Amino acid sequence: AQSVTQLDSQVPVFEEAPVELRCNYSSSVSVYLFWYVQYPNQGLQLLLKYLSGSTLVKGINGFEAEFNKSQTSFHLRKPSVHISDTAEYFCAVFRMDSSYKLIFGSGTRLLVRP
Amino acid sequence: DAGITQSPRYKITETGRQVTLMCHQTWSHSYMFWYRQDLGHGLRLIYYSAAADITDKGEVPDGYVVSRSKTENFPLTLESATRSQTSVYFCASSRTSGNNYNEQFFGPGTRLTVL
Repeated sequence: AQSVTQLDSQVPVFEEAPVELRCNYSSSVSVYLFWYVQYPNQGLQLLLKYLSGSTLVKGINGFEAEFNKSQTSFHLRKPSVHISDTAEYFCAVFRMDSSYKLIFGSGTRLLVRP
Repeated sequence: DAGITQSPRYKITETGRQVTLMCHQTWSHSYMFWYRQDLGHGLRLIYYSAAADITDKGEVPDGYVVSRSKTENFPLTLESATRSQTSVYFCASSRTSGNNYNEQFFGPGTRLTVL
């Protein structure tokens, strides 16, 4: 069985402070890794993805994530957040077998305060 | 520039009623997906379709029915709605199959309330 764990359901942070949203996964097969962002009352938007190559992946809006195979983690970081980054963030894995399915974590709500 | 659309965006219904949520994409993507989003669970896959007339169950299929007679449409039907099906439903689509990942694009969602 595989799972995606986002330990923090909510992360409050002050504007211009750095932030890290944690994601750990377990899988018996190789996976691709993703972070999606959901702004209030909107659908999901791809923030960044790791398919292969460099373990440090840069995405939109200044976010980046690092794939750590030994720790089975894919934590999302931003050095300085803005009020507009307030949203729900979902980590997801895609199994590299025939299932063609995305498995999502439970989400982390990032709340940026002025 | 339609992309992927869902209708209705909001729906209130009563227990026992049949409800159909519509999903339409203009990209001719082969794969389409239905997810439900609930607090504490993230998104969970209900059903997916690899092509017209090919559908398969996801993680939480009970109480739902899907069909795909045309590539661009993938309706989701709740045959007899229950309160536990109150949720936000997202449709998504992606290009082809295989181990080469193709990005899933999500619709804006339908908020369904079952009273």
